[in-house]
Amino acid sequence: EVQLVQSGAEVKKPGESLKISCKGSGYSFTSYWIGWVRQMPGKGLEWMGIIYPGDSDTRYSPSFQGQVTISADKSISTAYLQWSSLKASDTAMYYCARHFRGYGSGYYYYYMDVWGKGTTVTVSS
Amino acid sequence: SYVLTQPPSVSVAPGKTARITCGGNNIGSKSVHWYQQKPGQAPVLVIYYDSDRPSGIPERFSGSNSGNTATLTISRVEAGDEADYYCQVWDSSSDGVFGGGTKLTVL
Repeated sequence: EVQLVQSGAEVKKPGESLKISCKGSGYSFTSYWIGWVRQMPGKGLEWMGIIYPGDSDTRYSPSFQGQVTISADKSISTAYLQWSSLKASDTAMYYCARHFRGYGSGYYYYYMDVWGKGTTVTVSS
Repeated sequence: SYVLTQPPSVSVAPGKTARITCGGNNIGSKSVHWYQQKPGQAPVLVIYYDSDRPSGIPERFSGSNSGNTATLTISRVEAGDEADYYCQVWDSSSDGVFGGGTKLTVL
């Protein structure tokens, strides 16, 4: 069974650092892009960025570039999302999702076919 | 950046057909994917590549995409279909883009 297992809920103070994880199983971890999606309380989904564990190629949404770092350790089939200095506005649910890449009429597209259950991050003084 | 526009809410009676739209500039030239999210749960892919269904998704779910509007259609709506629905595309400048989401209420 293909699954993504995320690390547990975190409660942090502003200014602290944090790294959350997402472990893939049941498929070739290095053959699919894997990424992160933010959902702030009561709000919609926001795409943050993706990484290809095979070669660590990484892409970020302009909204999140410079705010977070996405990485992966292919030896343990795990992707990470990290912050160097958290803000209260980082309080949200964070989902990891496997990205399937397809090819349309002259373009690549990606969709998220497998999701983790989410990691709640609360930042409060 | 590319923007996807969804109605905030759609209401439908059980057994009827629900249509949820997703508007975007020339969205018909892109592949549109749809996700269902029930309260307290992670999103689930229900339609990919405009109109394909992943295994396990009922045939009642279908999709179409043309011009400036993509549509998710849910036939014979059931109480269990009540959820938030999000459209998503891949854009050359923005990469992953989600619509704002539509809350489907089954009356």
